Amino acid sequence: EPEVTQTPSHQVTQMGQEVILRCVPISNHLYFYWYRQILGQKVEFLVSFYNNEISEKSEIFDDQFSVERPDGSNFTLKIRSTKLEDSAMYFCASSPRGTNYGYTFGSGTRLTVV
Amino acid sequence: DQQVKQNSPSLSVQEGRISILNCDYTNSMFDYFLWYKKYPAEGPTFLISISSIKDKNEDGRFTVFLNKSAKHLSLHIVPSQPGDSAVYFCAASGANFGNEKLTFGTGTRLTIIP
Repeated sequence: EPEVTQTPSHQVTQMGQEVILRCVPISNHLYFYWYRQILGQKVEFLVSFYNNEISEKSEIFDDQFSVERPDGSNFTLKIRSTKLEDSAMYFCASSPRGTNYGYTFGSGTRLTVV
Repeated sequence: DQQVKQNSPSLSVQEGRISILNCDYTNSMFDYFLWYKKYPAEGPTFLISISSIKDKNEDGRFTVFLNKSAKHLSLHIVPSQPGDSAVYFCAASGANFGNEKLTFGTGTRLTIIP
């Protein structure tokens, strides 16, 4: 069964450093997303991406965050200057035709900012 | 701003019995509702969804019921199996024009007792 692949599974970084979280969505999917889950809290929407541009972003997705689809397969989330409160599980997801077809989520990257 | 609420953080059910997970929402603009299941160290897995024009959708052992007037939905699992032990998230989105974001509840941890 096709899956969304995320790397690394765990990333530890120092506060103020830049991190790039990587995702390989399912190949024929058109919509891509990043969500995050702070420990003990709910899964929160960060950004959606379609046709090589951001479709929607949340208040969390400020100027420190950016997304890119550098080639036909990868989808990345960059945090320019990490803060302690960025520590969370970050989930990438993709969908063939939008929300009501049910996204496929990756297994997540646990980001720990120290 | 909790637009999607799962008021039971945990639920224990005997194997073979029915599991009923509940979810309430406040935003009347939500048009599509989904249930996801999550195991530790994995991303959420799509289970079942329902459009706001329906009041029931069934898929095998899983049935979702929607009561629009009460802004309430529930997921029924019958019969419950040990492999159903996981965290279940209710999620909602607006009308799907392509890639509406998902708003998640805080989750209910279901434990199936053998």
